Amino acid sequence: GQQLNQSPQSMFIQEGEDVSMNCTSSSIFNTWLWYKQDPGEGPVLLIALYKAGELTSNGRLTAQFGITRKDSFLNISASIPSDVGIYFCAGNNNNDMRFGAGTRLTVKP
Amino acid sequence: KAGVTQTPRYLIKTRGQQVTLSCSPISGHRSVSWYQQTPGQGLQFLFEYFSETQRNKGNFPGRFSGRQFSNSRSEMNVSTLELGDSALYLCASSIGQGRETQYFGPGTRLLVL
Repeated sequence: GQQLNQSPQSMFIQEGEDVSMNCTSSSIFNTWLWYKQDPGEGPVLLIALYKAGELTSNGRLTAQFGITRKDSFLNISASIPSDVGIYFCAGNNNNDMRFGAGTRLTVKP
Repeated sequence: KAGVTQTPRYLIKTRGQQVTLSCSPISGHRSVSWYQQTPGQGLQFLFEYFSETQRNKGNFPGRFSGRQFSNSRSEMNVSTLELGDSALYLCASSIGQGRETQYFGPGTRLLVL
């Protein structure tokens, strides 16, 4: 179930702006994952983080695995209209996988 | 490599009926997990199968069941459907057990009338 605190809940930004969202947990996780979900579709994996402190980029996306292993952030640079969607964080600790409630991103052209 | 596929994509049923959803994982992936997604509850874990055995189960009633075949394909079944079972049912596959990096399918949207 949802036991990750993801913020903000929603964001309305102008095309070209940078975006930042984060997830925190009271528990330690071995892996942090970031997904994007379009309406009516399944979540698509954006970035997977496996080591505390790890900073990983995927195009305009950058994500970091917090050093305490209890948090992660996702940045999107120079947003474009197709970035619209819901972004979920997920923490995985062997057999325990939790999800954030999602950040709904709206990009105004 | 083909992604996770789920069938059917959309389904309408009435209360009391039962439904079977199918999931084919990415080739080479042996673990399949099922999730229920609703606007109010978000993503909730149903169960995980690995090597044809249920390895983990979420907090859902016994009306929700599943199985995995020797080719790693999985099915989930919901019996005696209730209105509250209306949701997007997502299947995710990973290479190994323990819900390591998972790749989701497009989901099956179930509407119970």
